[in-house]
Amino acid sequence: QVQLQESGPGLVKPSETLSLTCAVSGGSISNYYWSWIRQPPGKGLEWIGYIYYSGRTNYNPSLKSRVTISSDTSKNQLSLKLSSVTAADTAVYYCARAPGDFDYWGQGTLVTVSS
Amino acid sequence: DIQMTQSPSSLSASVGDRVTITCRASQSISSYLNWYQQKPGKAPNLLIHGTSSLQSGVPSKFSGSGSGTEFTLTISSLQPEDFATYYCQQSYSTPYTFGQGTKLEIK
Repeated sequence: QVQLQESGPGLVKPSETLSLTCAVSGGSISNYYWSWIRQPPGKGLEWIGYIYYSGRTNYNPSLKSRVTISSDTSKNQLSLKLSSVTAADTAVYYCARAPGDFDYWGQGTLVTVSS
Repeated sequence: DIQMTQSPSSLSASVGDRVTITCRASQSISSYLNWYQQKPGKAPNLLIHGTSSLQSGVPSKFSGSGSGTEFTLTISSLQPEDFATYYCQQSYSTPYTFGQGTKLEIK
C-alpha cells in the first residue's frame, strides 16, 4: 500500500519561501507522476503542479512564477517550494499520486503564512 | 483553464435516499472526469475515475456517468458515512481543475 507523508514548517512569514517534503513509502516514485494540491481553510482544491520521476514538471500558470517541484529518487521523496508567500497561500498542502486522477494522497499539512 | 461547476453546492438528504450531483465543464473534456469524497480533516478520496470507473475498494453504491461537458455522480441508499463533501475534477488538460464542491448533509 502506497503511503505519502508531507512534512515541513507549519508557519511561514510573508515574503519567505514555503518548503515542504513528501515522503513516499510502500512503492517507488519511479514511473509515476506526483502532484501537489492545496486547500485553503474552508475552501476548495487547487492543483499546484506535478513532476514525473524523471524530472519533467508542469505547473499551474497561476503559481508558475513562484513554484518549484523536485524529486529525489534515492530518498523516494518529492519537494515543493513556493516563494514570496502571502496570506493567500495559507492552506493545507497535499501531495498525491497522479497522473490525472489522484489515487493516493498524503494526510496533508497545514501551512499558515503570518508574521 | 477549464472551469468546473458543480450543482448543487449543498444538499440535504436522509439515510436511505438516492442523490445525484452534477458537474459541468466549461469545454468538452471527453470522459476525463473524476470524483472525490472528502470528510472533515481528511484528504480527498478518489471514488470514480474516467467518468464511470469505480476506484478499487469503493462500494458500487457510487456511480458516475456523462461525457463532454456534463457529468453526474449518483449515490444510492445513503448511509451516515456518505455524508461528506464531493468534488469533481477534470484531468483532460492542465491545469487540472476541481469543482467548488457539493456538501451532502443529513436532513
